[in-house]
Amino acid sequence: QSVLTQPPSASGTPGQRVIISCSGSSSNIGSNPVSWYQQLPGTAPELLIYSNNQRPSGVPDRFSGSKSGTSASLAISGLQSEDETNYYCAAWDDSLNGYVFGPGTRVTVL
Amino acid sequence: EVQLVESGGGLVQPGGSLRLSCVASGFTVSSNYMSWVRQAPGKGLEWVSVIYADGSTYYADSVKGRFTISRDYFKNTLYLQMNSLRAEDTAVYYCARDPYFGSRLDVWGQGTTVTVSS
Repeated sequence: QSVLTQPPSASGTPGQRVIISCSGSSSNIGSNPVSWYQQLPGTAPELLIYSNNQRPSGVPDRFSGSKSGTSASLAISGLQSEDETNYYCAAWDDSLNGYVFGPGTRVTVL
Repeated sequence: EVQLVESGGGLVQPGGSLRLSCVASGFTVSSNYMSWVRQAPGKGLEWVSVIYADGSTYYADSVKGRFTISRDYFKNTLYLQMNSLRAEDTAVYYCARDPYFGSRLDVWGQGTTVTVSS
């Protein structure tokens, strides 16, 4: 069972905005930055958002992140077919001395 | 180019051992926080272990006492020694770089598959 909570699925039509939530506690999201990872089938995860709302170079600005208290969210604007894959949130946990991940959210483009 | 390449995975019997390697290029392993993350078939990501730049190490409860993370400065390589392997350790194992402690995992290897089965 994952320490962070994410919905198992989210969906939208092309061009729509999809939001994925991530809930944690004071020992992880509440006290450390949140990162988001995109994992295409059969490949390694890739960093999508870091420090709650920063995008690495090369990540389209359609992807944005936010954090408030012990929760965070990832928004995908202008949904495209290539966005259909799995997304994971993560944060360092001060009690566990390690990263904790959400269970992942599968985004489907209808 | 900044890159991580894992190796060492394979099929091992329950109770057996394996050592995974993760060779880095484009940066120095010993100057970064380095983690191992695994993904069981069809499942999500699970953090396994971290080695700090100062050499401190930490483990997930599921592997504590069985796995050991280490690094070689001269080979610029990260390792994961896995002993007393169990069926539930079956997964793809990724090494990843954390450039600013606890901030993010910004570089990932391609993964190496470990299968524990008789």
